[in-house]
Amino acid sequence: KAGVTQTPRYLIKTRGQQVTLSCSPISGHRSVSWYQQTPGQGLQFLFEYFSETQRNKGNFPGRFSGRQFSNSRSEMNVSTLELGDSALYLCASSFGGHEQFFGPGTRLTVL
Amino acid sequence: EDQVTQSPEALRLQEGESSSLNCSYTVSGLRGLFWYRQDPGKGPEFLFTLYSAGEEKEKERLKATLTKKESFLHITAPKPEDSATYLCAVASGYSTLTFGKGTMLLVSP
Repeated sequence: KAGVTQTPRYLIKTRGQQVTLSCSPISGHRSVSWYQQTPGQGLQFLFEYFSETQRNKGNFPGRFSGRQFSNSRSEMNVSTLELGDSALYLCASSFGGHEQFFGPGTRLTVL
Repeated sequence: EDQVTQSPEALRLQEGESSSLNCSYTVSGLRGLFWYRQDPGKGPEFLFTLYSAGEEKEKERLKATLTKKESFLHITAPKPEDSATYLCAVASGYSTLTFGKGTMLLVSP
């Protein structure tokens, strides 16, 4: 079974730009969660989608948004990028419970 | 608010030297405690799920245990390839996981 895939793997952007990250979950998984990982804060929950609906949201500003499509693929968008948004963005999928399986992440660098 | 604290932050072991990693948690209604392994530049790799106090899970040289306030990840006779950051997380709601900062393990040959 193919694992969670994320594209692109690496991104370099400048302040003020926006970015879209993509995640394809494990086949059959309907829940997709997004996390931000930084050396100082560790892994922090961004939001979770289940059957195209945002089911939960973490404590991040409105510049961070996401969506899920009918095939369970998900995208997250960050608008008006700031230097502090530089991080590893991780996507995780689950069948609907709590056991989550992570993708390799997208490394975003904001200059 | 769910909280997870992992200790130590870093641990250096000699090959074959067994030890334990600690994960203390406070959560309103535990729905699961999870251990992950993360190698540099990669996403976390799922290891174990524990649901109730007294539960134990094993995989190769790793054994995870759970009490009402903490979990331990015991590493028996570690090898250099066990070097990684080990993350603990708890779930209390839907699919939201709250992670600790992790323990960075280095096993020297």
